[in-house]
Amino acid sequence: NAGVMQNPRHLVRRRGQEARLRCSPMKGHSHVYWYRQLPEEGLKFMVYLQKENIIDESGMPKERFSAEFPKEGPSILRIQQVVRGDSAAYFCASPPDSSYEQYFGPGTRLTVT
Amino acid sequence: TQLLEQSPQFLSIQEGENLTVYCNSSSVFSSLQWYRQEPGEGPVLLVTVVTGGEVKKLKRLTFQFGDARKDSSLHITAAQPGDTGLYLCAGVRNNFNKFYFGSGTKLNVKP
Repeated sequence: NAGVMQNPRHLVRRRGQEARLRCSPMKGHSHVYWYRQLPEEGLKFMVYLQKENIIDESGMPKERFSAEFPKEGPSILRIQQVVRGDSAAYFCASPPDSSYEQYFGPGTRLTVT
Repeated sequence: TQLLEQSPQFLSIQEGENLTVYCNSSSVFSSLQWYRQEPGEGPVLLVTVVTGGEVKKLKRLTFQFGDARKDSSLHITAAQPGDTGLYLCAGVRNNFNKFYFGSGTKLNVKP
């Protein structure tokens, strides 16, 4: 997956706990996209970030979900008070600057019990 | 509602057969990409098409972007079991911030 790192690969949380998903884009890339995928479905856009900026969060649920991409360190997708419906695979992708292409990480599979 | 509709949703064929997967929209896109995803992994980029009418070939795979830049097709010749996977199309519109994904075509090629 071309150097995009995500961790953890699998995350199990009980209802009401917090989930933190991390994404380190390819070296030199300053943009990160987060997507959510339910089984047997395509990817749903959640949020687009540059370093220290949220560019487009129109796909993010209004409550419990937040994302950041600090100057140093990975991008974090945070889900508070998880519910069963949050169970899904979450992917991040980083495009080269000014590119149409997306390079995806291996994903984090979140299971809420 | 999906901005990009893919068809068919599922396709199961024998090794050696040909197939075509479609990606359609009523909206115009600056570019379309095709990705292949295997179970438990992230999507992997296959091709990007940007010019209306463009045709690109990648070994046994042929990709076409519609003249009006609203649709695309992926044709696989002599399919092999290694082609099995979920094929996703994705489009970028003029604002360039957001990538819209189709719901995917799940292909199974039986030996």
